[in-house]
Amino acid sequence: TQLLEQSPQFLSIQEGENLTVYCNSSSVFSSLQWYRQEPGEGPVLLVTVVTGGEVKKLKRLTFQFGDARKDSSLHITAAQPGDTGLYLCAGGLASNTGKLIFGQGTTLQVKP
Amino acid sequence: DSGVTQTPKHLITATGQRVTLRCSPRSGDLSVYWYQQSLDQGLQFLIQYYNGEERAKGNILERFSAQQFPDLHSELNLSSLELGDSALYFCASSPLGQGLYEQYFGPGTRLTVT
Repeated sequence: TQLLEQSPQFLSIQEGENLTVYCNSSSVFSSLQWYRQEPGEGPVLLVTVVTGGEVKKLKRLTFQFGDARKDSSLHITAAQPGDTGLYLCAGGLASNTGKLIFGQGTTLQVKP
Repeated sequence: DSGVTQTPKHLITATGQRVTLRCSPRSGDLSVYWYQQSLDQGLQFLIQYYNGEERAKGNILERFSAQQFPDLHSELNLSSLELGDSALYFCASSPLGQGLYEQYFGPGTRLTVT
């Protein structure tokens, strides 16, 4: 069974602080995606990383895919209240399907 | 707006009943995915269809079934409903059927079984 362990599960920080969310697995993934979900809405894709060691930046968000393609991290610099939400990592298996394995999610609260 | 539509948005029904959830993918997308999200299980992959054919199956119960029609919309049928089936059900779509393509999620259907 492929599992993605996400940590921490909950994070409450002050505006302006930095944070990192981790996503780890013993399985190798062909791609790793990060989503953000607001209450009562569907997840919205933030980024896809596909190459081991790849780093992608999206404004204040930095995403990294591990060299072995088993883990990933999301770093947010100078967090803002608008960053509040549920962050989900999802791994695409090295197969001919689009099946995604999701982590349990990290609930982030950024207080003004 | 992801371009994926789901109906209905909310559904309240009793145990033992059967319901159908509907999904229309983004224009041009051939793959449709169904996911179940509950508080204790997180987001769980149920099933994928690609251009009308089943492509991948996850932990989908035998009481649940799905299909994708020639116009590419999809339906998820849930029967003999139990209290534990209460959850958010999401549909997602992607252009093709492989994992390197991003999935775009609909707004979900909240199912409450009483």
